[in-house]
Parts: sequence; structure tokens; C-alpha cells
Amino acid sequence: QVTLKESGPTLLKPTQTLTLTCSFSGFSLNTPGVGVAWVRQPPGQALEWLALIFWDDGKRYSTSLKTRLSITKDTSENRVVLTMTNMAPVDTARYYCVHVPGGVFFGDFWFDPWGPGIQVTVSS
Amino acid sequence: DLVLTQSPDSLAVSLGERATINCKSSQSVLNRSYNKYFLTWYQQRPGQPPKLLIYWAFTRESGVPDRFSGSGSGTDFTLTISSLQAEDVATYYCQHLGTFGQGTKVEI
Repeated sequence: QVTLKESGPTLLKPTQTLTLTCSFSGFSLNTPGVGVAWVRQPPGQALEWLALIFWDDGKRYSTSLKTRLSITKDTSENRVVLTMTNMAPVDTARYYCVHVPGGVFFGDFWFDPWGPGIQVTVSS
Repeated sequence: DLVLTQSPDSLAVSLGERATINCKSSQSVLNRSYNKYFLTWYQQRPGQPPKLLIYWAFTRESGVPDRFSGSGSGTDFTLTISSLQAEDVATYYCQHLGTFGQGTKVEI
């Protein structure tokens, strides 16, 4: 059974850097075709994809946020870390870690399952 | 950049009735090499993370009730709930790679 769980700070001040950790079980990031992604959702708003890392350490970032994002993996510890710099109140959202189970070899990706998410608030 | 526009933003459907949600892409989502539409549907119940329903536009994820179906072609796609159940009250999202639609809220 694949499970993921997010951890990190829940309250940040503007300009600070957010570092979130995704701890997962039930799969290995050494397995070809597998990935882990981050998606966020501001209160009452739609989903927004942020970043994705593949088994081969390939990385993809949201075009609008890529200058602020970094995603890394620790395969031996089954962890993925997302950092986002220069946080602002508009970055207040629930941040989800998600498993990317397939489609990669076709050039596609989708998200399943999702972690419970972590609510991050940015406020002075 | 590709944009996904869902319609309607919300709809109310009686129990047992059909719900239809549309997703229109600003560009084709067809991968011609594999003849697959890269279009995915999710369900997000209140207070919960999203759940995968359908990928490649038509393929139902294992365990998803068969009242959920995906259809469409080109740039226009539809998620249909054939007979709405109480547990289907949720917001539904379409997705193509790194882009999500704005969501459609389904109520009874």
C-alpha cells in the first residue's frame, strides 16, 4: 500500500524559505517509471502543480514558480524534499505530496495517491 | 501555456440523476505517438485530498465505481456520473500534465 506524509513548518514569515519533506512507503524511487510530485491548494481554490522528481532524478517545475523551487530525493530514506524560497502570503495553501504511478514512459503523468497535505500559512 | 477550462463551475443534481462535467483544453491533449489523450480526472470530497478517477481520458482507475466514465476527443472532454450517489458530492478536477482545471463542484 502506497502512503505519503508531508512534514514541515506550518507558519512562515514573508521572505522566509519553506522546506517540506515527503516521507513515503509502499514504493521505491529506484523503480523505473515512478515519481513524486508536489501540488498545492490555496484555501477554497483550485489545485496547482509545483514540481516533480522521477526515479532517474529527472526534475520538472511549474513554469511560473521554477525560479523559487527545488526538489530533491533521498532514495535510501524514502524521502523527497521541496524547497520554495521567498515565501509570501499568496503562498498560503495546503501542500500535498503525491505519488506518480505511471504514464511516464508515454510522456504523461498523473497523481495517485495523495498525502493528507500540510497547511502552510505565510503571515507577518 | 495550455489552459483547461471546466464547465459549469458548480451544478446541483438529484440523487440517481446524471451529472455531466466538461473540460475544454486550449490545445490538443492527444499524444499522436501513442494515440492517447493525456487527460486525467480527480474527485476531491470536502476536507479530503483528491482521488484519481480516470486517466488517459477514458481509463477508469481500479476500484472506481463504473457510474464514473470519461469521454471526449480533441480538446473537449467530459466526466459523467451516470447515477449520482450521496458520496459523489465533491469537487472534480481535470488535469493535463502540470495543468489543472479550476474545478467543478457537484452538490445534491
